[in-house]
Amino acid sequence: EAQLVESGGGLVQPGGSLRLSCTAAGFTFNTYEMNWVRQAPGKGLEWVSTISNGGGNTYYADSVKGRFTTSRDNAKNTLYLQMDGLRAEDTAIYYCARQSSLAYWGQGTLVYVSS
Amino acid sequence: DIVMTQSPDSLAVSLGERATINCKSSQSVLYSSNNKNYLGWYQQKPGQPPKLLIYWASTRESGVPDRFSGSGSGTDFTLTISSLQAEDVAVYYCHQYYTTPRTFGQGTKVEIK
Repeated sequence: EAQLVESGGGLVQPGGSLRLSCTAAGFTFNTYEMNWVRQAPGKGLEWVSTISNGGGNTYYADSVKGRFTTSRDNAKNTLYLQMDGLRAEDTAIYYCARQSSLAYWGQGTLVYVSS
Repeated sequence: DIVMTQSPDSLAVSLGERATINCKSSQSVLYSSNNKNYLGWYQQKPGQPPKLLIYWASTRESGVPDRFSGSGSGTDFTLTISSLQAEDVAVYYCHQYYTTPRTFGQGTKVEIK
């Protein structure tokens, strides 16, 4: 069965950086598009980014474009989200999810941006 | 951007009764070359990640009870819970994966009356 485990969240000051990881198991990672979706406390779901299966194509929400970078290491079955220039409004649980239909989700990792 | 609008925002239904959630997209999410609607429905219970219920607007994900069904095409979609069970209390979201930026509806909270 497919499994996704996020890590790397935590408390960071405004303007700081954080790198999230999503480790995949139970499926052929390099054949699937991967996504990051976030959820601010008590709010709805917000798509953040998508990366193609080979990593050659990436897409971002306007709210994070130029500040966040999605990448993947298919040899390590791992997806990354490099977050720079963090703002208070980036505070959220960050989920990774497999394929365009978001068929599998990790449990999420909390990013808290505060001074 | 495609805006996804769900209605209602919340819904209280008696156990065993039908629950219906609507989702309207500001542009069609039907891809004409394969006749597929790039629309998914998700269930999220408190403290848990979302769970895929329906993809391609009407295909039930493996393991999802058959009381959940999806319908619609183009810009108008519906998620129906035919006989509400206590474990169905959750927030439900629609999501279009037709184009980027991918977008979600605002969510519909389903409770027991």
